[in-house]
This record gives sequence, C-alpha cells and structure tokens, in this order.
Amino acid sequence: EVQLVESGGGLVKPGGSLRLSCAASGFTFSSYSMNWVRQAPGKGLEWVSSISSSSSYIYYADSVKGRFTISRDNAKNSLYLQMNSLRAEDTAVYYCAREGPYSSGWLWGQGTLVTVSS
Amino acid sequence: QSVLTQPPSASGTPGQRVTISCSGSSSNIGSNYVYWYQQLPGTAPKLLIYRNNQRPSGVPDRFSGSKSGTSASLAISGLRSEDEADYYCAAWDDSLSACYVFGTGTKVTVL
Repeated sequence: EVQLVESGGGLVKPGGSLRLSCAASGFTFSSYSMNWVRQAPGKGLEWVSSISSSSSYIYYADSVKGRFTISRDNAKNSLYLQMNSLRAEDTAVYYCAREGPYSSGWLWGQGTLVTVSS
Repeated sequence: QSVLTQPPSASGTPGQRVTISCSGSSSNIGSNYVYWYQQLPGTAPKLLIYRNNQRPSGVPDRFSGSKSGTSASLAISGLRSEDEADYYCAAWDDSLSACYVFGTGTKVTVL
C-alpha cells in the first residue's frame, strides 16, 4: 500500500526553525517527484515546494523562497522541508504529496500541524 | 503567483447535478492539465480528476471534469450526502517562476 507519513510539526516561536519529514513506503520513492502543500486553519490549499526525483529540479512558492529548503534522501525514502525564519503566517497543516506518473495527479499524506506563535 | 478562481460555495439536494467552475489563465489552465481534489472535513485532499477529465480507479462516474480554454469545471451528478466537502482545482503554471496553483476552493453543501 502506498503511504506517506509526515512528522516534525509542532509549536515554534516566530523566527525559529523546524524540519518536517515525510516517510514514503509502498512505491519506488526515487522514481517520483514530490511536493509540499500547506493549509492554514480554515483556509484553502497553498503549494509550497516541489522537487524532482533526482533533486535536479526544485521550485518554491514566492511566500517561502529564501526561508524554506526542500530536499530528499532516496536511500531513506524520505522527503524533507527545512523551515527557517518562521512567521505567524506559516501556521498551517503541511502535507507531502507524491506526483503520479504520466500526469496522473497527486497522492497525499495525512499532514502535520505547524504552529508559529510566541 | 496566481491562483485559480472558484465560487466559494455550491449546493444541491440529493440526486441533483452540481457544477463547479475554475477560472485561470493561459499560463496555467490554458497550457496544462487540470486536476480536481476533494477534501472531506478533517481529512487530507484526495485526487478526484486528473488530466482534465480522467477519473482514478475508485472514483464514481458521478464525478466528471472538463476543460475549455482557460477554464475548467467539475460536475457532480446524482448528488449524495457523502459528497459534502471542499473541492479544489489545480494546475501547473508556466509563468516566470514555475509553480503549482490551486483554486480558491468550493464548499459543496448537500441540502
């Protein structure tokens, strides 16, 4: 069974850092592009970042560029999001999502909550 | 980075047909596939439609997608109570900085 499990969320003060992880199982992780998407409380979905299967291509939303870093370890079947200089507006549930083959859409994890507050 | 525009809400009685629109631009919907995701209350989004009008296995054929120019739409026929959820369209955007854009979301209520 294909599974994505996020972890690393929690409460952090403004200006602080946090590293999210996404553990993948049930598929050949190294063959798929991966993504992070967030959803602020009561709000819609916001794309955060994407990384290609070999990390050759990386993209960020303007709202996180320069503060967040996406990475992956194909040997460990894991995706990461290093979040620095966190702001209150970064408070959200963060989802990792696998891009399907041949533009077949994304499969999502259950999400991890990040709260930025003093 | 742009977003795709959806109506904030839609509703219908059981058995009715509901349609949700998604308006974009030439750099996203106009030149890329459209996807639709369903988010039931308190859960992660789930893929409903890919490549404009394709349904993943397990998605009922009551759900259908279409695209024309820079707009797309999702239709739910034979509306059921379990269809009450938030629906989001999405597409890649080929503007200066490549990105993925989501629609503003539509809350579907079954009356």
